[in-house]
Amino acid sequence: DTAVSQTPKYLVTQMGNDKSIKCEQNLGHDTMYWYKQDSKKFLKIMFSYNNKELIINETVPNRFSPKSPDKAHLNLHINSLELGDSAVYFCASSSGRMNTEAFFGQGTRLTVV
Amino acid sequence: GNSVTQMEGPVTLSEEAFLTINCTYTATGYPSLFWYVQYPGEGLQLLLKATKADDKGSNKGFEATYRKETTSFHLEKGSVQVSDSAVYFCALVGDSWGKLQFGAGTQVVVTP
Repeated sequence: DTAVSQTPKYLVTQMGNDKSIKCEQNLGHDTMYWYKQDSKKFLKIMFSYNNKELIINETVPNRFSPKSPDKAHLNLHINSLELGDSAVYFCASSSGRMNTEAFFGQGTRLTVV
Repeated sequence: GNSVTQMEGPVTLSEEAFLTINCTYTATGYPSLFWYVQYPGEGLQLLLKATKADDKGSNKGFEATYRKETTSFHLEKGSVQVSDSAVYFCALVGDSWGKLQFGAGTQVVVTP
């Protein structure tokens, strides 16, 4: 049973389209995250939710909108996709405490053409 | 703000060589420190962690010690294998909600 699963694994789309990435965790964690990994492998947090409430919102364009229907799910919707949005997007979950690790999904490779 | 600096790669080694990847951090307070590994085409996996000064994390032959005096968390392995080829990330959690601050990642290539 996969602990953190995200779909799709690959997403190729045209500029200007709207797309969504879904994430689910079965670890019973209260906190979920979206991270973006750029072409140089650099990882940066985008958003975090704790028990369906947005708690971290880094400097991300308004075209990115996360939604958490319940604490086991965190989705990412992206409007009006741009070439620069091409990246790998990782979902993660944790207990939210400082001394515990996060568990990551396999990533969604988004390519905007 | 918090930050993590780790040595640039790629690091290329022969099998059975000794591996060190340097990692230093800047943080207020007492962060928790982590090493994550990313194998090709996969997500990140926790390799080891240390949550207070002088703690040593270890897993799969890898070790790292939380050194507060030098603000460092260097990763070491005594004898690498081809299967250790991956990208290694040093990271810290310095505030609430478990937000990870990552270093730039170090690619390690082990040749037979």
